[in-house]
Amino acid sequence: AQSVTQPDIHITVSEGASLELRCNYSYGATPYLFWYVQSPGQGLQLLLKYFSGDTLVQGIKGFEAEFKRSQSSFNLRKPSVHWSDAAEYFCAVARMDSSYKLIFGSGTRLLVRP
Amino acid sequence: DAGVIQSPRHEVTEMGQEVTLRCKPISGHDYLFWYRQTMMRGLELLIYFNNNVPIDDSGMPEDRFSAKMPNASFSTLKIQPSEPRDSAVYFCASSPYPTFGETQYFGPGTRLLVL
Repeated sequence: AQSVTQPDIHITVSEGASLELRCNYSYGATPYLFWYVQSPGQGLQLLLKYFSGDTLVQGIKGFEAEFKRSQSSFNLRKPSVHWSDAAEYFCAVARMDSSYKLIFGSGTRLLVRP
Repeated sequence: DAGVIQSPRHEVTEMGQEVTLRCKPISGHDYLFWYRQTMMRGLELLIYFNNNVPIDDSGMPEDRFSAKMPNASFSTLKIQPSEPRDSAVYFCASSPYPTFGETQYFGPGTRLLVL
């Protein structure tokens, strides 16, 4: 069965510092991978997605993620964090069949120090 | 487009009462999903519809939960009777007709508290 692991429950970075949020997945084939962000009291917003092609994916708000098949990882990065990036970030995997099930990780809460 | 619309945004009810959550998907989206988010279990898919037909309800926790989609622009998730352990944020999401990698668009959620 598919699964997604986000090993960091909380991460705190200083404003302007770089960020990397980890995501590992378990799936028998090449998955569809997503990163969503959830601001307090809000729904989930898609940051970026990967399903084929270039393994480095650019998203909104200056985020990028790199798919590494050998490590079963899809880590999210941003070179310089802004205070408005404080939120919860979810990695998700979807099956490459007709099912539209998204399996979410447990999330990583990002705190930004001024 | 206004995005996925959910109502109410907040609901407080007493144990044993019926609760109905509502969702209006983005126009033209053929897929609709209901998720539940709790601290203990994270985000879980409860059920999803394709063209108003329930496709997979394996995530519905028990018979107290039911979902309907009477038309392409409206869906409900009903809990009857409600219990304190149903307290959670319930999200509705919609997606266009499937091609690989299509995105699900989430509503703002309904925060349910059952006392």
